[in-house]
Amino acid sequence: GDSVTQMEGPVTLSEEAFLTINCTYTATGYPSLFWYVQYPGEGLQLLLKATKADDKGSNKGFEATYRKETTSFHLEKGSVQVSDSAVYFCALSDNTGKLIFGQGTTLQVKP
Amino acid sequence: SQTIHQWPATLVQPVGSPLSLECTVEGTSNPNLYWYRQAAGRGLQLLFYSVGIGQISSEVPQNLSASRPQDRQFILSSKKLLLSDSGFYLCAWSFGRIRTYGYTFGSGTRLTVV
Repeated sequence: GDSVTQMEGPVTLSEEAFLTINCTYTATGYPSLFWYVQYPGEGLQLLLKATKADDKGSNKGFEATYRKETTSFHLEKGSVQVSDSAVYFCALSDNTGKLIFGQGTTLQVKP
Repeated sequence: SQTIHQWPATLVQPVGSPLSLECTVEGTSNPNLYWYRQAAGRGLQLLFYSVGIGQISSEVPQNLSASRPQDRQFILSSKKLLLSDSGFYLCAWSFGRIRTYGYTFGSGTRLTVV
């Protein structure tokens, strides 16, 4: 079945460092891809999405490009802030109308 | 605009007691509704989803049940809680077009079974 694999965390960075969180997927068909963010004690919020190959989703300085040839959707940010500390989930839309989530990657940014 | 409400925010319940968590959506009709559980330090586990009133699909056999008595109301229940039921419970809703809109999540309920 469809699946999403994220790099294991926690990822610890200093403020203003470059961030990459890897996400790869396995899917039949042509899914949409999503990144969600979960701040401590809160629900998940949609961060960005891409609905077809080569699309780039972006929001709040974060970017991810839908790469069909490598089945990847890596999350990047050029300069992280302490306020970016959170858990990040990669997800795809399967062909039964549900989202399949990765295990989540914890990001901790130190001042 | 659409909003989703979950309550209570936190709950501490003894083992063997019943459970009822409620989720409601405003500003839309006939949403798809979902219950997820997030155990400490782990990912998201889909428990139930519903595409209409009275229509419930269970993803994982367990000590919990779900009901959808009204179009925009989704309830998670248990007759007797277990210690393993502790976790962070999230409700979510979506339009039928998941590919375009994804899910919108509620703020979650932190359940501790003692």
